[in-house]
Amino acid sequence: EPEVTQTPSHQVTQMGQEVILRCVPISNHLYFYWYRQILGQKVEFLVSFYNNEISEKSEIFDDQFSVERPDGSNFTLKIRSTKLEDSAMYFCASLRRQGTDTQYFGPGTRLTVL
Amino acid sequence: AQSVTQLGSHVSVSEGALVLLRCNYSSSVPPYLFWYVQYPNQGLQLLLKYTTGATLVKGINGFEAEFKKSETSFHLTKPSAHMSDAAEYFCAVSAYNQGGKLIFGQGTELSVKP
Repeated sequence: EPEVTQTPSHQVTQMGQEVILRCVPISNHLYFYWYRQILGQKVEFLVSFYNNEISEKSEIFDDQFSVERPDGSNFTLKIRSTKLEDSAMYFCASLRRQGTDTQYFGPGTRLTVL
Repeated sequence: AQSVTQLGSHVSVSEGALVLLRCNYSSSVPPYLFWYVQYPNQGLQLLLKYTTGATLVKGINGFEAEFKKSETSFHLTKPSAHMSDAAEYFCAVSAYNQGGKLIFGQGTELSVKP
């Protein structure tokens, strides 16, 4: 069964450093998402991406964040200058088409900012 | 705007007992409703979803949920708990005009006692 993959599974970084989290969505999916889950809290929407552009972003997704689909298969989330409060599990998800289709999630990348 | 409230951050049942996890939603448009399960150190896996049609939906692992519009609820049930059901369960809402974005509840941790 096709699945969403994410790398790395765990990333440790120093405050102020840039990190790039990588995702490979399911190949025939058209809509891509990033969510985050701070330890012990709910899963929160960050951004959605369709047709090579951001379609919606939450208030969490400020200028420090960016997303890209550089080569038609990978989907990346970049945090330019990490803060302690960016420590969380980051999930990538993909969707074939809007409406009744199922959104599939990757296993997540645990980001730890020291 | 949409929101989800899950009553009870932690539910504990005995093996073989009924599982009932509560979810109430708020949505200004007809909602799509989902239950996802998260096992320790894993991503989110879809249990079941309601989009249109039959209000009682059956999912994987013997779970089912009923969409009750009058009560704005989508409670998750399983007649007989198994030890392997111990996990975190998230209720989520979306809508046809929301670009596939999922809004999650706080999650309910289910413990199953032998």
